[in-house]
Amino acid sequence: EIVMTQSPATLSVSPGERATLSCRASQSVSSKLAWYQQKPGQAPRLLIYGASTRATGIPARFSGSGSGTEFTLTISSLQSEDFAIYYCQQYNNWPPVTFGGGTKVEIK
Amino acid sequence: QVQLVESGGGLVKPGGSLRLSCAASGFTFSDYHMSWIRQAPGKGLEWVSYISSSSGYTNYADSVKGRFTISRDNAKNSLYLQMNSLRAEDTAVYYCARVDYGGNSGVLDYWGQGTLVTVSS
Repeated sequence: EIVMTQSPATLSVSPGERATLSCRASQSVSSKLAWYQQKPGQAPRLLIYGASTRATGIPARFSGSGSGTEFTLTISSLQSEDFAIYYCQQYNNWPPVTFGGGTKVEIK
Repeated sequence: QVQLVESGGGLVKPGGSLRLSCAASGFTFSDYHMSWIRQAPGKGLEWVSYISSSSGYTNYADSVKGRFTISRDNAKNSLYLQMNSLRAEDTAVYYCARVDYGGNSGVLDYWGQGTLVTVSS
């Protein structure tokens, strides 16, 4: 099973600033990497798939990069609605799909 | 628009059983593989089970193998999760999710709102 590790666990950012979240896979997942956003009391929402393709309706301030074992989600200018928990997920070698432990983006 | 609505959660004693349902609408259900994912209180996401579009293939997390059974009824646009021999560690919100296909197979592109299962005496 591929283990996904996210860092940092918590990221404190001021509105309008850039946020950079990291995700590492225990072995190569090629570009089979997705990012999800989860707000309190809500289901996760797909943001990015294929490591860098935004899902339908996702604003351009969200961008993904990386391949192999190292991936990054960047939020270029944080809006109030972006404070949430973000999960990465690999789907290169599944089932099972596996998720990272999440990064909480909180207001600084 | 795509909608997934889970039901069937509740409080059950250890060793008990529960059947979750997920009603799908807004897309051709029979064209898509489906999955169940769970989230324990205050914890991260854990994939539970997968079923192919025609029910020909299923798969389970080791933590639920032999106790949970996934199924679907394409005529009713519904997904199910039969949970037996429940344990305290099965306490979680259970989400059903649509699995994207083709080159993106494995991407969970739509999720339901979840249903809470609590296993406690």
